[in-house]
Formats: sequence, structure tokens, C-alpha cells
Amino acid sequence: DAGVTQSPTHLIKTRGQQVTLRCSPKSGHDTVSWYQQALGQGPQFIFQYYEEEERQRGNFPDRFSGHQFPNYSSELNVNALLLGDSALYLCASSLGVYVTGELFFGEGSRLTVL
Amino acid sequence: GENVEQHPSTLSVQEGDSAVIKCTYSDSASNYFPWYKQELGKRPQLIIDIRSNVGEKKDQRIAVTLNKTAKHFSLHITETQPEDSAVYFCAPYNYGGATNKLIFGTGTLLAVQP
Repeated sequence: DAGVTQSPTHLIKTRGQQVTLRCSPKSGHDTVSWYQQALGQGPQFIFQYYEEEERQRGNFPDRFSGHQFPNYSSELNVNALLLGDSALYLCASSLGVYVTGELFFGEGSRLTVL
Repeated sequence: GENVEQHPSTLSVQEGDSAVIKCTYSDSASNYFPWYKQELGKRPQLIIDIRSNVGEKKDQRIAVTLNKTAKHFSLHITETQPEDSAVYFCAPYNYGGATNKLIFGTGTLLAVQP
């Protein structure tokens, strides 16, 4: 049973560029949440996708956008990258729009913005 | 809840000692209280959770206690071992609420000295 998979694992971008991160949820899960984790901090909620719609959003600017596909996989897009966007981006999957049990996290995509 | 604090931020104990981490939240409607463990360079993983109709839950060396009146819950680890060294996050949540976001606390770095 495959867990949550994310790609790429590491990437380096320069300021102003755009990046797309990808996530495949755990088998049987239909909800994907994205988190940003800066070094030494807790995961910060970006947004949640369920039934191909953004259901909830954290305090992140519109430069952060996402998408969910019919197979429940998801993408996180960040435009006009800033140095402060450097972080580990975690994808977490669950079943149903409400988190009633464990969130299963992927290993993350580490983004470095130079 | 939207405002989540953990104390202490760092905790160093000797192997075999007990460790207690407290999580304070602001949303009185929170009804699900998980604790996640994140080892260095790895994904967060659920270690124990409790729901609002229960005051205490234990799983071997790990326990969680809940005080809904005071709006805090605590993680207790007994007979600590070096492999317990990690960052621990609480994430109080209101499932079924309008604000459907799992918000993580600031984290507690636990170091277990052999």
C-alpha cells in the first residue's frame, strides 16, 4: 500500500521564478492538504483540496495556488518566488473533508530559493 | 484552535525519565486532539490522539490528558528512550466546524540523553 508520495524531493529556484510541486495521496484517501514548514518551525497550513475544490485556506498570498485532479492527486504552485518561500512543503492526505483521524504526510519537497 | 501554543519549546531529559509537553489552544469548539512526532529530516507522524469525550488515553509509554475547561492537553512520555528524541507537535482541531483547518503548534524539541 503506497503512502503519500511527493515530487520532486529537492529543488532550487531563483527569485521571481515559479514552481510546481506534486502529491499523490495514500491509497483510498480523497483529501489533500498542503503545509509549509520553515526550518525550526511547525507546519503552516496552506490549503486543503477535496472533490477538486479548495475547501479551506490558510494565511498565504494568492501567489500560492493549487489543484486537485480526478484521481485525487494534487499540485501546489507558487508564483513570483521570494527568498522567504524557502521551506519544506509537506503534503498530507486523509479521507473526507473533515480530519477525523491521522493525517498521512509525504516526505516533503524541499524548496530553496536563491 | 487558531491560537496554539506549546510549552516547553525545548526539553532535555535523561534516559528513563518522564517528559511532559503541554499544548494550549484558544478555540473552545476543538474536539479532536492529536500529537505528531517528527524525527529529524522525516515526516510528521501521529503518535496518539484523543477526542473530547475522553479525559485520558494511554498507549504503552505514551499518554495524552485533556482538560477542556482550561483548554489544554498534554503529552506524557514515560521511561524515555533515545529514539524518543524528536520534535513533537500538537494540532487541536474542530472537525465538523466551519473552520476546517488542522493547525499545528509551535513544536517542542525533546532530547533524551543516554
